[in-house]
Amino acid sequence: GAVVSQHPSRVICKSGTSVKIECRSLDFQATTMFWYRQFPKKSLMLMATSNEGSKATYEQGVEKDKFLINHASLTLSTLTVTSAHPEDSSFYICSASGRGEQYFGPGTRLTVT
Amino acid sequence: AQSVSQHNHHVILSEAASLELGCNYSYGGTVNLFWYVQYPGQHLQLLLKYFSGDPLVKGIKGFEAEFIKSKFSFNLRKPSVQWSDTAEYFCAVKAASGTYKYIFGTGTRLKVLA
Repeated sequence: GAVVSQHPSRVICKSGTSVKIECRSLDFQATTMFWYRQFPKKSLMLMATSNEGSKATYEQGVEKDKFLINHASLTLSTLTVTSAHPEDSSFYICSASGRGEQYFGPGTRLTVT
Repeated sequence: AQSVSQHNHHVILSEAASLELGCNYSYGGTVNLFWYVQYPGQHLQLLLKYFSGDPLVKGIKGFEAEFIKSKFSFNLRKPSVQWSDTAEYFCAVKAASGTYKYIFGTGTRLKVLA
């Protein structure tokens, strides 16, 4: 299967700061990437669809000014959590689409103190 | 509206017991179906997928799933579970064409007792 990486795997930041999470498809080009948020013991919640070269499409209830997504190339999408608050602490997962399915990254655990 | 239901939220089994996890979906067109597993502290891994053809799909680690179109179901099975199968299992559905967007079920937490 295809390989998708995320960086960092864990990050701790102070309230009010911004954090950037990178998602890379390592062995294929992905025109579409997805960003999910997973709460403890819960399913994945789709946050947004990231399209290369265009604006991301956000799901209802997700603040686009808070969760900035940039898909600058066919192998890289970034999620920036701006002015982070403790309630933004979560597990963020990206995926890259290709060959009819999504390939998931290992996730990034964000803790906001 | 499109949706995926996993009716079993928590399942506890003893080793060697047989497993069946239910997945039903609501969608009006042709679909692709997936089962993912998430081991404690780890990321999502694809167990198996159905795109077309034989409705009985075999995946990794001895898992299989059967697509029953008339029942809108894609249940996951394993004849004999092991302690190492303790994990959370997610069913996902997408339209067969035109989108990569998945709809995930709420997940089933499986605990296998040694």
